[in-house]
Amino acid sequence: RKEVEQDPGPFNVPEGATVAFNCTYSNSASQSFFWYRQDCRKEPKLLMSVYSSGNEDGRFTAQLNRASQYISLLIRDSKLSDSATYLCVVNILLSSASKIIFGSGTRLSIRP
Amino acid sequence: DGGITQSPKYLFRKEGQNVTLSCEQNLNHDAMYWYRQDPGQGLRLIYYSQIVNDFQKGDIAEGYSVSREKKESFPLTVTSAQKNPTAFYLCASSTSTGDQPQHFGDGTRLSIL
Repeated sequence: RKEVEQDPGPFNVPEGATVAFNCTYSNSASQSFFWYRQDCRKEPKLLMSVYSSGNEDGRFTAQLNRASQYISLLIRDSKLSDSATYLCVVNILLSSASKIIFGSGTRLSIRP
Repeated sequence: DGGITQSPKYLFRKEGQNVTLSCEQNLNHDAMYWYRQDPGQGLRLIYYSQIVNDFQKGDIAEGYSVSREKKESFPLTVTSAQKNPTAFYLCASSTSTGDQPQHFGDGTRLSIL
């Protein structure tokens, strides 16, 4: 089983729709969590960190469920510009260091 | 403006040739990372360094080498032993605490001639 798993998609939704995707992780020592956005042929860019209490940034809401070991990203009122690949990142605390693991990404395509 | 600079943006390698990808950061970050990304795939960790003069192998280190002589710089050499080097290479940095997000350079695309 992969340490971090994402549904690869693609998710194809109309503009204005609400879309959500999850990311599951297998290591209970996972400490911190992030969502990145990656546009085609570009570098990943931090979208938001994910806090235990859940957090919101405009149209984006991120949540963490430690009991079930997943994080989620909700995008409301989707825009054409939201089309991208969304990467889930998990930071696992090891005895002497931390290990950062990227999911393979979920592709989102917003249609007019 | 602080950031990470990768160069070159595009690089072509001949058979049997070693090539070096540059990564420089002025964010005063202790940790630096190299990833490889193949089309339609996620990021795979090649090497990382948490402090000057120290680095660790990632998941796919074979055929690659790195150095960390300065805090700001973490060059990656793709050696001739790497038989399938064509990929998008991304350098990242972060604070050493590990609970902070990584910042990425804009990548180098390497192809074989």
